Amino acid sequence: ETGVTQTPRHLVMGMTNKKSLKCEQHLGHNAMYWYKQSAKKPLELMFVYNFKEQTENNSVPSRFSPECPNSSHLFLHLHTLQPEDSALYLCASSQPEREGTGELFFGEGSRLTVL
Amino acid sequence: GQNIDQPTEMTATEGAIVQINCTYQTSGFNGLFWYQQHAGEAPTFLSYNVLDGLEEKGRFSSFLSRSKGYSYLLLKELQMKDSASYLCAVTDSNYQLIWGAGTKLIIKP
Repeated sequence: ETGVTQTPRHLVMGMTNKKSLKCEQHLGHNAMYWYKQSAKKPLELMFVYNFKEQTENNSVPSRFSPECPNSSHLFLHLHTLQPEDSALYLCASSQPEREGTGELFFGEGSRLTVL
Repeated sequence: GQNIDQPTEMTATEGAIVQINCTYQTSGFNGLFWYQQHAGEAPTFLSYNVLDGLEEKGRFSSFLSRSKGYSYLLLKELQMKDSASYLCAVTDSNYQLIWGAGTKLIIKP
């Protein structure tokens, strides 16, 4: 496998459920990101990890909980979500900007629907 | 506040040329990106500009004017597969990436 892989691609959950999104990158990058994409809105950065350490938490509600066990894997744990959390959740990875442009490599996203 | 503006939607004809504009107001500037995102797919990197001028890459070109806070993406010889959303993003002085809402480009035969 190459690139950034996200699972599941689609997820429907109730407000009281607990689920997790998974992201795996095979590019040897050291930075990983979670973004939220809602229709007709800019991408919203949620969390950033550099070398497994969380370096950014963009005022995200505690019902979203990230986990980065190593530089290749990133999880987003979900619990007691709200219907307005329904969106496409994108994972991305990159190398540090000093090693290039810092362009992001995205996974295809997990489409989340909260009922 | 920081802001990226781009048109919500544009329509163009197959074989023609289209220019998608992006204007930005950010605290500092460390580069501008264009990404392409087909419906239901991942955004993919198209171009990066950090100096003023035109960068050409095949049918796609990207232009930057830092003094005007302005960029455009130029697509030539449009093909149906170019129907997608085009996202403009700017890296600010803190190396935070600020995103526009994207321009949905519809190509008609």
